[in-house]
Amino acid sequence: TQLLEQSPQFLSIQEGENLTVYCNSSSVFSSLQWYRQEPGEGPVLLVTVVTGGEVKKLKRLTFQFGDARKDSSLHITAAQPGDTGLYLCAGGRWNFGNEKLTFGTGTRLTIIP
Amino acid sequence: DVKVTQSSRYLVKRTGEKVFLECVQDMDHENMFWYRQDPGLGLRLIYFSYDVKMKEKGDIPEGYSVSREKKERFSLILESASTNQTSMYLCASSKPGLAGRVIMNEQFFGPGTRLTVL
Repeated sequence: TQLLEQSPQFLSIQEGENLTVYCNSSSVFSSLQWYRQEPGEGPVLLVTVVTGGEVKKLKRLTFQFGDARKDSSLHITAAQPGDTGLYLCAGGRWNFGNEKLTFGTGTRLTIIP
Repeated sequence: DVKVTQSSRYLVKRTGEKVFLECVQDMDHENMFWYRQDPGLGLRLIYFSYDVKMKEKGDIPEGYSVSREKKERFSLILESASTNQTSMYLCASSKPGLAGRVIMNEQFFGPGTRLTVL
């Protein structure tokens, strides 16, 4: 069962445009992370959000955790070709005393120069 | 520079073969994880380990086993490879969280092994 759905699955836009990627679940998570994966590499952490309603900014990237801690969004302003990659959200949960990440389905972003 | 390394970038095996995927981390992390990555499905957790000789099933453990004899090394074993196990396999490691804390620690990933089972 896939607990985290991301939309859109694919997104291709021109350099300089803005975009938003969504991560939705029916489950509550204690924290949520966003990773970016480039071809031939493993995912790399971008941000962790913990509090419902929390907003974090990383240069041109803005991350928001939903009030109910079930969903999140990633907004990119003035997209650059270097933003191209696979974006993955991952929800954190405690499972019998152990922590576990559940990853989303992924959004493949292509920025056209 | 911290690193998670995986034994092979590409691997081709035949149906029924026993397959070993090796992962080594140099960060002294207690936690290690094996995921498989398929298009449209994201990363799915196969097995994880919180200590040497300890292992826990993830979401899709069927057809896989693991071994953690040393802290830095976590092996994924396909006892009898099948074509539906053709996938990208990613290993990751992390520090353990404190008991009761809610913030997940960063997971550090290897570059992946693309396995094809013919």
